[in-house]
Amino acid sequence: ETGVTQSPTHLIKTRGQQVTLRCSSQSGHNTVSWYQQALGQGPQFIFQYYREEENGRGNFPPRFSGLQFPNYSSELNVNALELDDSALYLCASSLSLNRINYGYTFGSGTRLTVV
Amino acid sequence: AQSVTQLDSQVPVFEEAPVELRCNYSSSVSVYLFWYVQYPNQGLQLLLKYLSGSTLVKGINGFEAEFNKSQTSFHLRKPSVHISDTAEYFCAVSEMDSSYKLIFGSGTRLLVRP
Repeated sequence: ETGVTQSPTHLIKTRGQQVTLRCSSQSGHNTVSWYQQALGQGPQFIFQYYREEENGRGNFPPRFSGLQFPNYSSELNVNALELDDSALYLCASSLSLNRINYGYTFGSGTRLTVV
Repeated sequence: AQSVTQLDSQVPVFEEAPVELRCNYSSSVSVYLFWYVQYPNQGLQLLLKYLSGSTLVKGINGFEAEFNKSQTSFHLRKPSVHISDTAEYFCAVSEMDSSYKLIFGSGTRLLVRP
């Protein structure tokens, strides 16, 4: 079985630009979540998608948006980048059935640097 | 609101010694509990999880954790550590009646010395 893959691995953007990060979920998983991990901190929940609909969101502004596709791959879009958006962005997929979540598999992340 | 506290930011220990990494949580509802490990420049790898049943959970690489509901704790232990266990360890909780988002602690860096 394949794991969770994220692209690109590293990215440098200028303040004010827009960025799209991509995630391919583990085979058989129907739920995808995105997390932001600033340097020296634990990951912070951004949002989660289940069957192509957002079903949970953390304390992040609307300029953070996402999509989940029919094949359960996902995108994270960030508009109007700020310096504080520099972080490791982690994608996690899981299988959710009958309101039971069977645990998350994380990708290796995308390291975003905003200059 | 749920939260996770990892009081120890760094735990130094000698190789082959036992170690315990502490995790306490707060939540008004039942939770699932997880420990993840993160090696430098990598994502998170699941060490173990508690969903229900036995409060003593065994995971990969010889780690285990014990869920204590009365003390709202989920401490991670290993009887004998190796140099390769040097990494960042994160405790996380997920409420059973939400979107199952994970709330992470701030992490504990385990530093194993020869």
